[in-house]
Amino acid sequence: QVQLVESGGSVVQPGRSLTLSCVVSGFTFNNYGMHWVRQAPGKGLEWVAVISSDGSDKQYTDSVKGRFTISRDNSDNTLYLQMNSLTVEDTAVYYCAKIDCGRDCPPDSWGQGTLVTVSS
Amino acid sequence: IVITQSPLSLPVTLGQPASISCRSSQSLVHSNGDTYFHWFQQRPGQSPRRLIHNVSNRDSGVPDRFSGSYSGTDFTLKISRVEAEDIGVYFCLQGTHWPWTFGQGTKVEIK
Repeated sequence: QVQLVESGGSVVQPGRSLTLSCVVSGFTFNNYGMHWVRQAPGKGLEWVAVISSDGSDKQYTDSVKGRFTISRDNSDNTLYLQMNSLTVEDTAVYYCAKIDCGRDCPPDSWGQGTLVTVSS
Repeated sequence: IVITQSPLSLPVTLGQPASISCRSSQSLVHSNGDTYFHWFQQRPGQSPRRLIHNVSNRDSGVPDRFSGSYSGTDFTLKISRVEAEDIGVYFCLQGTHWPWTFGQGTKVEIK
């Protein structure tokens, strides 16, 4: 059974850093690109970043470029999101997700999310 | 790429059809000819799940009352007969161009 379990969310002051983790099980992690998607309280979904299956390619939404870094450890089935210079606008539930979809579109999978609150 | 979703709120009657639209600011046809446009459902208190991938393909386990279509840069999700379990927020997502972008979401609620 597929499981994605995020952790690392907490309350942090503006300007500080935080690293989120997502431990995956139930599928062959190193076969899939992985994404982070966030959702501010009471708001819609915002795509944040993606990393290719081997970690060689990464893409980010404009608002986090230069501040966030996505990475993965395929030996540990873990996805990471390092977040620096956090602002109040980064307050959100962060989901890790397997949502890559090309011509062959495998089933999507999402974690339960981890809450990051940026506040002084 | 900006995705404009409408309506933002959709009161529905059980058993009646419902329709949600997303309009893209640019063509979503990939250089390989495919169009990577997807629909997600987020029930209250749950993580999202994909309903439709690549414009019109239902994901596994999705009831056939859900369908997706498009015309140019306009994409539509239709529910043929709304059931109580369909209540939630629906999002569209373009995955053709970086960065991927979601629509604003449509909250479907019972009248």
